[in-house]
Amino acid sequence: DTGVSQDPRHKITKRGQNVTFRCDPISEHNRLYWYRQTLGQGPEFLTYFQNEAQLEKSRLLSDRFSAERPKGSFSTLEIQRTEQGDSAMYLCASRTEGSGGTGELFFGEGSRLTVL
Amino acid sequence: AQSVSQHNHHVILSEAASLELGCNYSYGGTVNLFWYVQYPGQHLQLLLKYFSGDPLVKGIKGFEAEFIKSKFSFNLRKPSVQWSDTAEYFCAASGTYKYIFGTGTRLKVLA
Repeated sequence: DTGVSQDPRHKITKRGQNVTFRCDPISEHNRLYWYRQTLGQGPEFLTYFQNEAQLEKSRLLSDRFSAERPKGSFSTLEIQRTEQGDSAMYLCASRTEGSGGTGELFFGEGSRLTVL
Repeated sequence: AQSVSQHNHHVILSEAASLELGCNYSYGGTVNLFWYVQYPGQHLQLLLKYFSGDPLVKGIKGFEAEFIKSKFSFNLRKPSVQWSDTAEYFCAASGTYKYIFGTGTRLKVLA
């Protein structure tokens, strides 16, 4: 499978625990995005990487959230001290370097987080 | 502020009916527009996109969309829907790199 892969697909945790999600983008894609999606809503932008550089972080992300892409390949999204409001689907997407924002985003199947 | 609005949250149609889903955007500067679809249990995938040229764009599975700059709209159409079109549809807009999505329209097609 050469698509975007995310792991784990499902995570159930207790409030206050830390969780980490991993995203492996399509290999030649140097742009990587994280989105969050809750029921009845569209994907909400969280953060964006160009290679290993994190170029924008949404105000939706509190300081409990951190994302990395250390070698410009896979990325991790960590949530510390989880709260029930963090329950959502976390989506990763990637795209090639193209002219501006005309490129297609390729999405993974998402990591569903449930915080009890 | 950048935003994308989809006014139809739930649409129910019978097979062979025509479909039009509304999308309006607010985005400063040059904008690129997309429609994505999410079939049950699957990931988001691109239906079609517009970034320049002919404002009527055709996508996969018989879908098309029209960019009307004066109305800040990018409505999705299909002349005759099939049961297999049951899915959630998302409109999105981008500038240089940031993609903003609407809240989605859940379409159910009755056989």
